[in-house]
Parts: sequence; structure tokens; C-alpha cells
Amino acid sequence: EPEVTQTPSHQVTQMGQEVILRCVPISNHLYFYWYRQILGQKVEFLVSFYNNEISEKSEIFDDQFSVERPDGSNFTLKIRSTKLEDSAMYFCARGLAGGGNEQFFGPGTRLTVL
Amino acid sequence: SQQGEEDPQALSIQEGENATMNCSYKTSINNLQWYRQNSGRGLVHLILIRSNEREKHSGRLRVTLDTSKKSSSLLITASRAADTASYFCATDVSGTSYGKLTFGQGTILTVHP
Repeated sequence: EPEVTQTPSHQVTQMGQEVILRCVPISNHLYFYWYRQILGQKVEFLVSFYNNEISEKSEIFDDQFSVERPDGSNFTLKIRSTKLEDSAMYFCARGLAGGGNEQFFGPGTRLTVL
Repeated sequence: SQQGEEDPQALSIQEGENATMNCSYKTSINNLQWYRQNSGRGLVHLILIRSNEREKHSGRLRVTLDTSKKSSSLLITASRAADTASYFCATDVSGTSYGKLTFGQGTILTVHP
């Protein structure tokens, strides 16, 4: 399967700073997702993005989070003012054809907030 | 209990043995998916089973789904040391259209050579 790449692989930031996590899926896929996994915990859904719009978001995805696909290929997750509890692995995933199908995950970005 | 709970939490076996992991969920689903995660790495999709399917095979993997019991099992036959990883079930809940997955806590599988 074509890969999803994510950059950076590891990001260290100070509390209160803004971070942008990037995902490069295959450009003709329509369904994208962000998940996060706090160390030792389960993977949690953050947001789904379909046809360049947010289609669903979780309670975690509050006003400090935003997603966009600025150039039609890269898919970004922005955290405006990071908190210590935002430290986690953030995974981007793509869906082949929408709900009900496999999701293919990127390798993740490890975010460490100090 | 939460949507998508696996048991056991940890499983330790010898190479060549079979490993069985179970997953229970609470709500109706479109499908259930199993993923593998090596330590500190990304999630690798293993297999998807739809709500109208009862069993599915892929190589050494066999997945069953019992929608009446809201449970699924993942069997890895003839395990190898390289199968050592965490295994997660994830449910695609009915009534949503965009494929949001709800993951369980996972089973940590250790296969000793």
C-alpha cells in the first residue's frame, strides 16, 4: 500500500507554543484522520477530514486544534498553545474510500511538551 | 467497560504456539479492524471484518466476529518472534459515515524464540 508520511518524527516544544504536524497522504484520497496516543494509553480519535472539511471531531479536538489541507496534498494538524498533556504520539491516517474501510496510518509524530 | 476492550492485556507464548486475543465492544458496528503496533511505531492494519461476516483469514491470521455477543477474536497461528507487538481492535461504529475508529487498550503479545 502507498505510504503515509509524517513530519517531523519528533517535535519538542515549550508549553504555550504552537506546533504544526504534517502528513503527506496520497493526493487523490479524500478521507483523512488524526489520532493521538498518550504514552501507555489507547489510540484516540481526534478528527476526520473529508472533501477538505472537518466531518467529525472528538471532545479532545477543542479550539486549540485545527486541521487544514493548505496545498491540496499536505494535511496539517495545528495545536495553537500546547499544554503538557498534549504530549503524545500523533498519527495521521488515510481512508481508501470513506467510512467502512481500512485506514492506513503514518508512522506518527512524537510530540513532547516541556 | 469501554467500546473495544481486548483481553488478555498481555500474552506471553513460545515461538510456534498459537496466540488468541479477544475484543469486546458495546455498540453496533459497521466493521471491526485489527491493528498491530510495534513498540513506539505506527499502526499497521492487519485485517478488517464487516458486520455481516463471521470469519476471515489472512495468512496466519484468523479473525472471527460474533455480533450477537459483540465480540471478536484474533488468532495468530504458528507465532514467530517477529509477531511480538501490541495488537488493537478498532470498531467503526454504525451510524457514522466517515470511518471514525474507536480503539481498545490493546493486547501486548510477547513471542519468545
